Amino acid sequence: AQKITQTQPGMFVQEKEAVTLDCTYDTSDQSYGLFWYKQPSSGEMIFLIYQGSYDEQNATEGRYSLNFQKARKSANLVISASQLGDSAMYFCAMRERTGGYNKLIFGAGTRLAVHP
Amino acid sequence: DADVTQTPRNRITKTGKRIMLECSQTKGHDRMYWYRQDPGLGLRLIYYSFDVKDINKGEISDGYSVSRQAQAKFSLSLESAIPNQTALYFCATSDPTGGAGEKLFFGSGTQLSVL
Repeated sequence: AQKITQTQPGMFVQEKEAVTLDCTYDTSDQSYGLFWYKQPSSGEMIFLIYQGSYDEQNATEGRYSLNFQKARKSANLVISASQLGDSAMYFCAMRERTGGYNKLIFGAGTRLAVHP
Repeated sequence: DADVTQTPRNRITKTGKRIMLECSQTKGHDRMYWYRQDPGLGLRLIYYSFDVKDINKGEISDGYSVSRQAQAKFSLSLESAIPNQTALYFCATSDPTGGAGEKLFFGSGTQLSVL
């Protein structure tokens, strides 16, 4: 069964508007972590934001915020005031513990295009 | 200088050839990983190593092998490359003291094409 689901292969948004990238996850662990990474066209993977399963507040990092809804098992990324440089692939990932090891697994990604 | 360095950045090879991708890090992390990225599939874990003597298979290890030569070095080998191993390969490290927030630090990736 897929652990991390990103249902939007592609999204576009007008510059300066906000956009939400969806992510749902599946785990039976009580303690887990959720991450978002950005991959621009240059290819590198850039860490954006992290949310712990026990964190009561939604994580925020500058223009990025994570809309964490634990009961729904969703961890959507919200980008406010989109900029042209936000055009990239975005990956949701979850850290879970299986077989005694703590591993990060990724969703398929969402490609975001910011239009001027 | 990059904290996680992958070499080469790009490689084109032929079916049946043996290929080694190398990764070195200056972050001092014990944990190292190899992932491959394919369009529409995200990043999938090939192998991971939590210290020099601890190496484990990930979800797609068939056709690959690894060697952890030192804390700072983790290489990935394709013993006999095949075209469906054409992908972008990432090496990554992590620091276990982060707990559930243990995040990955990635190299710049190696684009491998198998003809």
